[in-house]
Amino acid sequence: QKEVEQDPGPLSVPEGAIVSLNCTYSNSAFQYFMWYRQYSRKGPELLMYTYSSGNKEDGRFTAQVDKSSKYISLFIRDSQPSDSATYLCAVINTGGFKTIFGAGTRLFVKA
Amino acid sequence: DVKVTQSSRYLVKRTGEKVFLECVQDMDHENMFWYRQDPGLGLRLIYFSYDVKMKEKGDIPEGYSVSREKKERFSLILESASTNQTSMYLCASSPQTGAEQYFGPGTRLTVT
Repeated sequence: QKEVEQDPGPLSVPEGAIVSLNCTYSNSAFQYFMWYRQYSRKGPELLMYTYSSGNKEDGRFTAQVDKSSKYISLFIRDSQPSDSATYLCAVINTGGFKTIFGAGTRLFVKA
Repeated sequence: DVKVTQSSRYLVKRTGEKVFLECVQDMDHENMFWYRQDPGLGLRLIYFSYDVKMKEKGDIPEGYSVSREKKERFSLILESASTNQTSMYLCASSPQTGAEQYFGPGTRLTVT
């Protein structure tokens, strides 16, 4: 079993839709949760960073962590064509060097 | 802004060649990482370094070595390139343990 599971998609939505991206993880020791966005032919860039459970909002983006079910979500409101990218979830345990990445979900937002 | 640069965007090498991939970061970060990214497999850690001259194996170190002689520079070496090392190689740095990582633009390596 992979430590982090993520549906690869692709996910195609119309402009303005609410997008929900999800990951599950297996190790309850993970304390830090991140979402990265990767545009085609570019390196990933950090989008959201949360510690432990709860929600974090940044503009149109909301990250949600449910540690009881080991579930991580990213919501994008009012999605735009510029949101078309691959989204990678990532986890890291306290004091750990190693970040575990999901395989990424490819998102297309159609104008 | 943190900047991580990689020496080449695209590289084509022949089987058996020695390949050097260079990565430089300009934010005095302690930790540096090398990943490869393949479709369906995501990012896989090859090696990382938490200090100058220090290195640790990641999940897939076989066929690779690394060098970190200066804090800002982390090199990945393919001693004898093989076709199964055709991939996107990404370098990253982070300021401390448990922190977010900053990635370079990647090097797409093709071994023929």
